[in-house]
Amino acid sequence: QQQVKQSPQSLIVQKGGIPIINCAYENTAFDYFPWYQQFPGKGPALLIAIRPDVSEKKEGRFTISFNKSAKQFSLHIMDSQPGDSATYFCAASMSDDKIIFGKGTRLHILP
Amino acid sequence: KAGVTQTPRYLIKTRGQQVTLSCSPISGHRSVSWYQQTPGQGLQFLFEYFSETQRNKGNFPGRFSGRQFSNSRSEMNVSTLELGDSALYLCASSLAGSSGDNEQFFGPGTRLTVL
Repeated sequence: QQQVKQSPQSLIVQKGGIPIINCAYENTAFDYFPWYQQFPGKGPALLIAIRPDVSEKKEGRFTISFNKSAKQFSLHIMDSQPGDSATYFCAASMSDDKIIFGKGTRLHILP
Repeated sequence: KAGVTQTPRYLIKTRGQQVTLSCSPISGHRSVSWYQQTPGQGLQFLFEYFSETQRNKGNFPGRFSGRQFSNSRSEMNVSTLELGDSALYLCASSLAGSSGDNEQFFGPGTRLTVL
């Protein structure tokens, strides 16, 4: 019940395409859903986050869509660029408990 | 403002040995969390320290331990190393903790290889 399932494991998209990464959770007590971006040789960095009372959040080219009833959320990258090539982690957390990460998606944007 | 620093960056040990990893959080951050990252399991939470007290713990054996000092610097120790302990160990600091909407700032990690 504490798991966050992330798919796909890896993704290759042409430049300008819209990669979509999906995550699903079971525990309805989760109330904060961040996405982290990790480049090779670096630690993850917070990219964008959403709360379950909002169905969509945009920050620049990055959008989170949230479906509370389905217990799913996804990351969309508009007009993807080779510089977006990285590993992306979704996560879920609640107050007073540890954050749970998905297993990550390795994204490669072809030039 | 300096980021989270971790030392050493790379470490090679043999089975049965023990290892200590160090993490210096961002100035002013009182929470330090440790994660193990492997290709198969992704990021797994080890433990969190806040003001020198362990506040949360993941599902790892007792061979994994940690501590935090009064200056918020933290160390993680792994005793009796096993081959499966080979991983990237990440430290993250935050103002108030690893739960809820507290943003965590990650260091570059320590790559541990156990031979």
